[in-house]
Amino acid sequence: GQQLNQSPQSMFIQEGEDVSMNCTSSSIFNTWLWYKQDPGEGPVLLIALYKAGELTSNGRLTAQFGITRKDSFLNISASIPSDVGIYFCAGVHNTDKLIFGTGTRLQVFP
Amino acid sequence: EAQVTQNPRYLITVTGKKLTVTCSQNMNHEYMSWYRQDPGLGLRQIYYSMNVEVTDKGDVPEGYKVSRKEKRNFPLILESPSPNQTSLYFCASSPGGYYGYTFGSGTRLTVV
Repeated sequence: GQQLNQSPQSMFIQEGEDVSMNCTSSSIFNTWLWYKQDPGEGPVLLIALYKAGELTSNGRLTAQFGITRKDSFLNISASIPSDVGIYFCAGVHNTDKLIFGTGTRLQVFP
Repeated sequence: EAQVTQNPRYLITVTGKKLTVTCSQNMNHEYMSWYRQDPGLGLRQIYYSMNVEVTDKGDVPEGYKVSRKEKRNFPLILESPSPNQTSLYFCASSPGGYYGYTFGSGTRLTVV
């Protein structure tokens, strides 16, 4: 089955730094979603993007729906220890089926 | 509290012994789905359901069965589990895919 290319695979950063990650696909999506998974828990929806070029923020998180509709980006500003986890992108086709990226594992050091 | 509840959280079983992982949601969502999560592979969809009695295969359906007899419940059945089905499983529900899925807390299954 199709999976999205998500990069980087992992990041080790210092508290206070900004973080950027992205997701690319060979096909077009109508919706992009960003999830965070804390250790031992299920993914939780952070941001949903519904229109090409859309830029949406949720606190220190900002995500963008790429103009080509084949990519999306997530930025985290001024990282804190509780940002630790795995971040997943997901694209949604017309069929309402979600395709997930392989995840970016974020580690934040004090 | 709006949630997706799956049970059990942890399960160790032997090859070939049928098992069922239950999933229930209290949000009156139309869509429900099962995913498995394996290191380096992200989340892969096993089966999904768009409504009662309507189910369809996801990307990795082999070795699994599902049923959707009621809107709130979507059990995952492994008729004859094998070691390659050792994984972390998530049930999720959604009012419609564009709004994203709400996930359960996961079931860690080990088949020996």
